[in-house]
Amino acid sequence: DTEVTQTPKHLVMGMTNKKSLKCEQHMGHRAMYWYKQKAKKPPELMFVYSYEKLSINESVPSRFSPECPNSSLLNLHLHALQPEDSALYLCASSRGATGELFFGEGSRLTVL
Amino acid sequence: QKEVEQDPGPLSVPEGAIVSLNCTYSNSAFQYFMWYRQYSRKGPELLMYTYSSGNKEDGRFTAQVDKSSKYISLFIRDSQPSDSATYLCAMTGGYGNNRLAFGKGNQVVVIP
Repeated sequence: DTEVTQTPKHLVMGMTNKKSLKCEQHMGHRAMYWYKQKAKKPPELMFVYSYEKLSINESVPSRFSPECPNSSLLNLHLHALQPEDSALYLCASSRGATGELFFGEGSRLTVL
Repeated sequence: QKEVEQDPGPLSVPEGAIVSLNCTYSNSAFQYFMWYRQYSRKGPELLMYTYSSGNKEDGRFTAQVDKSSKYISLFIRDSQPSDSATYLCAMTGGYGNNRLAFGKGNQVVVIP
């Protein structure tokens, strides 16, 4: 079982809705990540938090808003999404910056 | 030229065969090399992790890194139907850079 927990597993939302994805880890990792993955593609990095501070934003549209309330939690707030934003959203954590990422099972988002 | 090249062609093998996967890369700063396994509709799982050049073995899995050729490989011996998944190579330079460069992934099907 993964030690990174994501909720919800599935989410369907309209283009005017506001929703949030949540991620939790209790491994003491100080880096947390949001990735987006489309079918048959590798994960694409969206945001990185290091020691609870946003360290990387890969030019993600402002309709995606990350938040790191504490070292164990990571949220992704969603607002005014487009159908092309439908994807698997993956949270991950790591102890350092050497690539050993622990991924959650993902939240599958459908935007109607 | 993409940073990481992984021929995304699907691979079907009979049970018990050796599976051979590889990636090439262009960035000589990469030092940490990973193979992630991703089952359908799940998040990626770290399978093998190697620092710098050399071989690493874990049960039926062997990872090889040749930094002089900028080439990494994953071998799966005595393949099982449970090995059917997508295998993603990934790499990073470390040094506080939390970005991973992923290959496109190989879908492997082991036929009983």
